[in-house]
Amino acid sequence: LAKTTQPISMDSYEGQEVNITCSHNNIATNDYITWYQQFPSQGPRFIIQGYKTKVTNEVASLFIPADRKSSTLSLPRVSLSDTAVYYCLVGDILTGGGNKLTFGTGTQLKVEL
Amino acid sequence: DADVTQTPRNRITKTGKRIMLECSQTKGHDRMYWYRQDPGLGLRLIYYSFDVKDINKGEISDGYSVSRQAQAKFSLSLESAIPNQTALYFCATSAGSSGAYEQYFGPGTRLTVT
Repeated sequence: LAKTTQPISMDSYEGQEVNITCSHNNIATNDYITWYQQFPSQGPRFIIQGYKTKVTNEVASLFIPADRKSSTLSLPRVSLSDTAVYYCLVGDILTGGGNKLTFGTGTQLKVEL
Repeated sequence: DADVTQTPRNRITKTGKRIMLECSQTKGHDRMYWYRQDPGLGLRLIYYSFDVKDINKGEISDGYSVSRQAQAKFSLSLESAIPNQTALYFCATSAGSSGAYEQYFGPGTRLTVT
């Protein structure tokens, strides 16, 4: 089970790009990397998922280097509404889920004016 | 309408009472999960079910039980509630196979045990 390490908190200002890095040194060959966002008193929301290189969707980009031992969630031009906790999860999406899917304490992103 | 619903949204109960939290989904997913979240902490898995006949314990199942009444319904019971079960409870669903890590969460139930 790949262990992940993220910064506990980050601060940014509106309009800036924010990059949150997750370390997962013992990632396995079949593991994918998934990021969630959680607002206070709400359930986490799936943001993006990837295996290697770069994945982009309408809200974020995910950069994964060739060795896959880390990944970076990039949020372009953040706003106050991006203030939330961001979780990085790593695991085999084909056989995983269940007790192999673990949410740590995540990264608390605070965006200010 | 929400894809994953939870009832009740808020509940206050007394120590020793039995309480049931209910979850329903319209996403057609096979897999369902129950998590609890304590202030300032991440989510911890209580139970999960990969189909109607499959129930599995998660990280913190002691003091809880579940029932998968149908593909769309997954209930969590506290047999005899205690104050340290005061928390925010989330139900989630996911599709099988490749959707395992893309979970969809309900709005949560805030439970207070006095």
